[in-house]
Amino acid sequence: AQSVTQLDSHVSVSEGTPVLLRCNYSSSYSPSLFWYVQHPNKGLQLLLKYTSAATLVKGINGFEAEFKKSETSFHLTKPSAHMSDAAEYFCVGGGSQGNLIFGKGTKLSVKP
Amino acid sequence: DSGVTQTPKHLITATGQRVTLRCSPRSGDLSVYWYQQSLDQGLQFLIQYYNGEERAKGNILERFSAQQFPDLHSELNLSSLELGDSALYFCASSLLAGGLFDEQFFGPGTRLTVL
Repeated sequence: AQSVTQLDSHVSVSEGTPVLLRCNYSSSYSPSLFWYVQHPNKGLQLLLKYTSAATLVKGINGFEAEFKKSETSFHLTKPSAHMSDAAEYFCVGGGSQGNLIFGKGTKLSVKP
Repeated sequence: DSGVTQTPKHLITATGQRVTLRCSPRSGDLSVYWYQQSLDQGLQFLIQYYNGEERAKGNILERFSAQQFPDLHSELNLSSLELGDSALYFCASSLLAGGLFDEQFFGPGTRLTVL
């Protein structure tokens, strides 16, 4: 069965500095992986997804993630944080039934 | 705006009661998914319907049930409510039956508070 583990429950960065949100996965087969973002009092929005076409996946708002099979990781990065990036981020795996399996979430704070 | 609508936005009720949450998928989407987000359990998949039929089941309690109607909207029924059922309930929809290339679009959620 597939599962995802987000290594940090909370990450705090200063505006203009890089963002790194860490995610490890375990899967007995080729994984489907996604990153979703949830802004306060809003629904979930897809940031990017891994489709096995490329290991470096570019998403919206300048985010990208790199799939590393040797490390079973799918970390989310952004070169320069913006105040509007403050939100909760979920690393998500695709379940065998077509459902989504969510990590516990990482709350990103951005300091001015 | 994802195109998925959920009503009501907020619901406050008492233990032992029954409530119905409603979801309208994006136009043309055939699948509806229900998720529960709570502080202790995080975001969990409850159930999926595809074109009116139950397709996949997750951690859904026996007190909970769902259905998808011919116009493809879906309802999630929660009965014999307990304090622990207080959570944010999300509905998502996708074009097909699910899978890697079938993106799920989420509604804004219904916040249920059980007192």
